Amino acid sequence: SQQGEEDPQALSIQEGENATMNCSYKTSINNLQWYRQNSGRGLVHLILIRSNEREKHSGRLRVTLDTSKKSSSLLITASRAADTASYFCAPQKLVFGQGTRLTINP
Amino acid sequence: NAGVTQTPKFRVLKTGQSMTLLCAQDMNHEYMYWYRQDPGMGLRLIHYSVGEGTTAKGEVPDGYNVSRLKKQNFLLGLESAAPSQTSVYFCASSYGTSGSWSEQFFGPGTRLTVL
Repeated sequence: SQQGEEDPQALSIQEGENATMNCSYKTSINNLQWYRQNSGRGLVHLILIRSNEREKHSGRLRVTLDTSKKSSSLLITASRAADTASYFCAPQKLVFGQGTRLTINP
Repeated sequence: NAGVTQTPKFRVLKTGQSMTLLCAQDMNHEYMYWYRQDPGMGLRLIHYSVGEGTTAKGEVPDGYNVSRLKKQNFLLGLESAAPSQTSVYFCASSYGTSGSWSEQFFGPGTRLTVL
């Protein structure tokens, strides 16, 4: 198993702006997942992207995957206060990085 | 569907005491996991199980034991608690580990303090 490394560690933006966070990993994967964690709560699955997919959408979320660069990005469009949370990527399985702490300012 | 539940939600122990954390899932998942999360950190895998009666070590297994006697339950035991085990413990479950089956469902967490 391998750990994803999220970047930046913290991100603070104004409500309505877009938020982009990145994930890098080291070895080949079959899929990569993104999770959200609200303060004091368990993680919630957001989206899974397979290695043969380059982009995937779910509501205001857009995930991209570049297997040649071993990186993924999560874009949240038109951010809302409720998007304030930590976001984790999980390349393959079982291992999570330290996450990106996203703060949406009203 | 209750999903994944954890008992208890909070616990304070003294060094050397023992306790068991209970995780239960009602989704008929084969795989179950125990993680710990320290402040400002990601999750670290303690132990996991790929089916009833089986367990395996994760990244940080020392000081913990687990049992999966029933498919729906996964128990995490601390035999002799240490202050370094102060953390928030999360249980999770999934159908499998491939593709969409690998989506993990998490419980609400147990906040453990060891004095």
